Amino acid sequence: DADVTQTPRNRITKTGKRIMLECSQTKGHDRMYWYRQDPGLGLRLIYYSFDVKDINKGEISDGYSVSRQAQAKFSLSLESAIPNQTALYFCATSDWDDLTPRDTQYFGPGTRLTVL
Amino acid sequence: EDQVTQSPEALRLQEGESSSLNCSYTVSGLRGLFWYRQDPGKGPEFLFTLYSAGEEKEKERLKATLTKKESFLHITAPKPEDSATYLCAVNAGGTSYGKLTFGQGTILTVHP
Repeated sequence: DADVTQTPRNRITKTGKRIMLECSQTKGHDRMYWYRQDPGLGLRLIYYSFDVKDINKGEISDGYSVSRQAQAKFSLSLESAIPNQTALYFCATSDWDDLTPRDTQYFGPGTRLTVL
Repeated sequence: EDQVTQSPEALRLQEGESSSLNCSYTVSGLRGLFWYRQDPGKGPEFLFTLYSAGEEKEKERLKATLTKKESFLHITAPKPEDSATYLCAVNAGGTSYGKLTFGQGTILTVHP
């Protein structure tokens, strides 16, 4: 089974709808991240969470919100979807240790979201 | 502001033709440089982490090196299955602590 899973894998929705993307991990990592990927713009960080009680905005958080329900679960919501939120969305996890470099991020398979 | 620039944007090689991909970076205190491979429609797959200038890591036909300003991903005798987008990312200190800044990627195509 995959260590980082995302649901749904594909979603088509209409402008104004509320959408939730879910991420689960079995790696036991504390840190989780949400990115979006657009052609020509690369991967951009939306939100990140260093533990269940620590949630931070990334570089493009406007129009998005997140919930860290447990160490293993991190959800991304689009409160009112708009067409320019059409993109590939990726969840990632990492295991941070200040003493030993162990900060590699591992990515899920992605969710392709289309907003009409 | 942390910046990562990858070149070339696209690279076409014949099978067996070795080459290198470049990743130049500007950060305030490098904590790690990462290379990922991404196939179309899939999530980035971790390849290497480099932490200090002079460090090298190898995996099959790939070898990653790091200097104080750039990293190279050397591909020796590539095969068609090496075709993918290769992403470089940096983890810096200061306000960027714990976050990755990605380059735009290099699209590698290896023809048989």
